[in-house]
Amino acid sequence: QKEVEQDPGPLSVPEGAIVSLNCTYSNSAFQYFMWYRQYSRKGPELLMYTYSSGNKEDGRFTAQVDKSSKYISLFIRDSQPSDSATYLCAMSAGAQKLVFGQGTRLTINP
Amino acid sequence: GAVVSQHPSRVICKSGTSVKIECRSLDFQATTMFWYRQFPKQSLMLMATSNEGSKATYEQGVEKDKFLINHASLTLSTLTVTSAHPEDSSFYICSARDPGRGGYEQYFGPGTRLTVT
Repeated sequence: QKEVEQDPGPLSVPEGAIVSLNCTYSNSAFQYFMWYRQYSRKGPELLMYTYSSGNKEDGRFTAQVDKSSKYISLFIRDSQPSDSATYLCAMSAGAQKLVFGQGTRLTINP
Repeated sequence: GAVVSQHPSRVICKSGTSVKIECRSLDFQATTMFWYRQFPKQSLMLMATSNEGSKATYEQGVEKDKFLINHASLTLSTLTVTSAHPEDSSFYICSARDPGRGGYEQYFGPGTRLTVT
């Protein structure tokens, strides 16, 4: 079993829809959670960074962490074609290395 | 803030030659930098962690004599692929932590696409 599980998709939704992306993990030591967006042939871009459980909102993006369920989510409201990319969840127990999910390929259709 | 650059963005070299890739933190000092490799439609694979002024820590299965990492300053780390072969063709990405932000998130460079012919 992988430490971090993420459905690779692909996920295709119409423009304006709410997108929900999720990851589950098995290591209870993880406390730092990140979501990255990666366009084709580019480096990952940090979207959200959260510590421990709770919600964090930044514009159209909301990150949720439920440590009791070992489950994290990223919600994208009012999705735009420019949101089409691969979304990677990542997490760590601190100064240790990041553990990444497989990435979910998302397409927003105009 | 927290901008990381890489050079070159793409490189083509002949089998048997060596290639150097540079990773720079532009607006912060990075005591720790990371090197990743990414195959098409796959996630990132950590190759090594480099700390300024000390030897890099390589992940299991990564040949340290083939992938030489140097982190000589707080803003520059280099990855040299020695005696490159076609199987080394890949997308190489570096990242860095910004200690000034107090967290453990990593900021990534734009990546370098290496093609070995």
